[in-house]
Amino acid sequence: SQKIEQNSEALNIQEGKTATLTCNYTNYSPAYLQWYRQDPGRGPVFLLLIRENEKEKRKERLKVTFDTTLKQSLFHITASQPADSATYLCALDQTGGFKTIFGAGTRLFVKA
Amino acid sequence: DAEITQSPRHKITETGRQVTLACHQTWNHNNMFWYRQDLGHGLRLIHYSYGVHDTNKGEVSDGYSVSRSNTEDLPLTLESAASSQTSVYFCASSESGQGMETQYFGPGTRLLVL
Repeated sequence: SQKIEQNSEALNIQEGKTATLTCNYTNYSPAYLQWYRQDPGRGPVFLLLIRENEKEKRKERLKVTFDTTLKQSLFHITASQPADSATYLCALDQTGGFKTIFGAGTRLFVKA
Repeated sequence: DAEITQSPRHKITETGRQVTLACHQTWNHNNMFWYRQDLGHGLRLIHYSYGVHDTNKGEVSDGYSVSRSNTEDLPLTLESAASSQTSVYFCASSESGQGMETQYFGPGTRLLVL
């Protein structure tokens, strides 16, 4: 079955450093991949979408890569700030429909 | 500004009771979704709708039902609440079209079934 894996361990980094989060998937080939941010007690908020024919996408301090050979996406936050502390969810389109499946998310803590 | 709202934000109920969670969006989106979020499982799709009078089952639909009588609302009903349905529930909506549309999420409803 289709599966998405994100590192369940929290990522702790120092302010100003680059945070890198990983999303791996198995058993299918999605055409699209999205990253969402979720703060405690709130719903997820869309950040970036990348298509299978795009290797990299950038938005301000955010960068996403999509390696269909490795079946992996990397999400980078450069010059990280304490306000970037949140849970980041990876999401992929599900084969055969317009539904989305989500990873469990990785918690990021940025220390001042 | 367009938005998506959920009510109630918190609910405590007893096993066996029927519970309805409301979801209302003003984006005028055709697609609406209900997810539950539990620790370690991420978001799991319960039901979804691609338009008025259209409803479809997701991966964890047992014990839940939805109906879509207009574009704005997709209420989620737990027919007979069970303790296993204690969770945080999120409603989302997206535009119609080909491919993977961005989903806009509500603030969530925290449900406790005793």
